[in-house]
Amino acid sequence: DTAVSQTPKYLVTQMGNDKSIKCEQNLGHDTMYWYKQDSKKFLKIMFSYNNKELIINETVPNRFSPKSPDKAHLNLHINSLELGDSAVYFCASSQELGTDTQYFGPGTRLTVL
Amino acid sequence: AQSVTQLDSQVPVFEEAPVELRCNYSSSVSVYLFWYVQYPNQGLQLLLKYLSGSTLVKGINGFEAEFNKSQTSFHLRKPSVHISDTAEYFCAVSDSNYQLIWGAGTKLIIKP
Repeated sequence: DTAVSQTPKYLVTQMGNDKSIKCEQNLGHDTMYWYKQDSKKFLKIMFSYNNKELIINETVPNRFSPKSPDKAHLNLHINSLELGDSAVYFCASSQELGTDTQYFGPGTRLTVL
Repeated sequence: AQSVTQLDSQVPVFEEAPVELRCNYSSSVSVYLFWYVQYPNQGLQLLLKYLSGSTLVKGINGFEAEFNKSQTSFHLRKPSVHISDTAEYFCAVSDSNYQLIWGAGTKLIIKP
């Protein structure tokens, strides 16, 4: 069983479209995250979600919004996609913030044309 | 604010040679430090972490790291690398809000 799964694995879309990436974890963790990894492999935290508390990286545009229907899922919605949104997006989970190991999904490669 | 510096963007090394990947962080009262590895086209996975106690931390795949508080460093080492160690390695430190601050990554290139 995959611990952290993401769908889709690849996403190609046009500028201006709205898209979603789904993430599910079966580890029973309380905290989930979304990261953006650019073409230079730089990893940037976008959101962390812990016990219904959302911590937002202030540099993330409000076109990005996380949605958590339950503790095992944290989906990422992106409105009005821009060329600069092209990147690999990783979902991760951990039991708690800070000291716990984060378990990463396989990533979603988003290409905006 | 906490920051992490990985001094080398790429480290080429011959197979079976030792390697050290460098990581420095900005000073803080207490820190939790991590090394993650990303194999090609995969997500990241934990190699090792320092929370407290012994400053020498052993991880998976024969890697180890030493926490040096005076030098604010957490360098990663392996005595003999294998071709399968080819990957991107990320150092990270938790900040006061328990968010991980990530380094820019070091690409380990193993030469046959």
